[in-house]
Amino acid sequence: EAQVTQNPRYLITVTGKKLTVTCSQNMNHEYMSWYRQDPGLGLRQIYYSMNVEVTDKGDVPEGYKVSRKEKRNFPLILESPSPNQTSLYFCASSLIEGTYEQYFGPGTRLTVT
Amino acid sequence: RKEVEQDPGPFNVPEGATVAFNCTYSNSASQSFFWYRQDCRKEPKLLMSVYSSGNEDGRFTAQLNRASQYISLLIRDSKLSDSATYLCVVNLPNFNKFYFGSGTKLNVKP
Repeated sequence: EAQVTQNPRYLITVTGKKLTVTCSQNMNHEYMSWYRQDPGLGLRQIYYSMNVEVTDKGDVPEGYKVSRKEKRNFPLILESPSPNQTSLYFCASSLIEGTYEQYFGPGTRLTVT
Repeated sequence: RKEVEQDPGPFNVPEGATVAFNCTYSNSASQSFFWYRQDCRKEPKLLMSVYSSGNEDGRFTAQLNRASQYISLLIRDSKLSDSATYLCVVNLPNFNKFYFGSGTKLNVKP
């Protein structure tokens, strides 16, 4: 089954404790992206990647890191989480040709206390 | 100024009604346009892409007006199952960044 998976789905952590949210897709998509969704603000792009070893900042990259060492994986790293990073996070992937339809993972609900 | 703006609603309509949503975008260089559907904090799913000539998929019709920089979605014969939040999405040239509107909530009532 074609899908994007994210882990963990739910996470409660404390300020300053490094964490990683994993994202994996099995569709051989070149493009992958991370978004955060906050009430009234919609989805905002954090980082994106056009292919292996190619990453770039979205609109809200502060406090986040990413890496793309393999085509299928695109982890999101919070080196020192803060309460303002409490949010719902979505990973997405897409081909870079054709319809550009993005397939989204199920989301990770992160709470930083 | 937000890149993409939508009326948050909610739009409360009876079954069978026709409802239309608009969305405006600020960057005239925007290249690709989409409507996504999102159910209750679940992941967004593509409803339809929006083409310059307009396009239709069953009860759904999408239009693009580049001169006025807006996109519309028309839903005919609304079903209870159409209740969701509809997200307008634009993509900048070179296929790098995507901008999402904050969504328009639709409630279809019996």
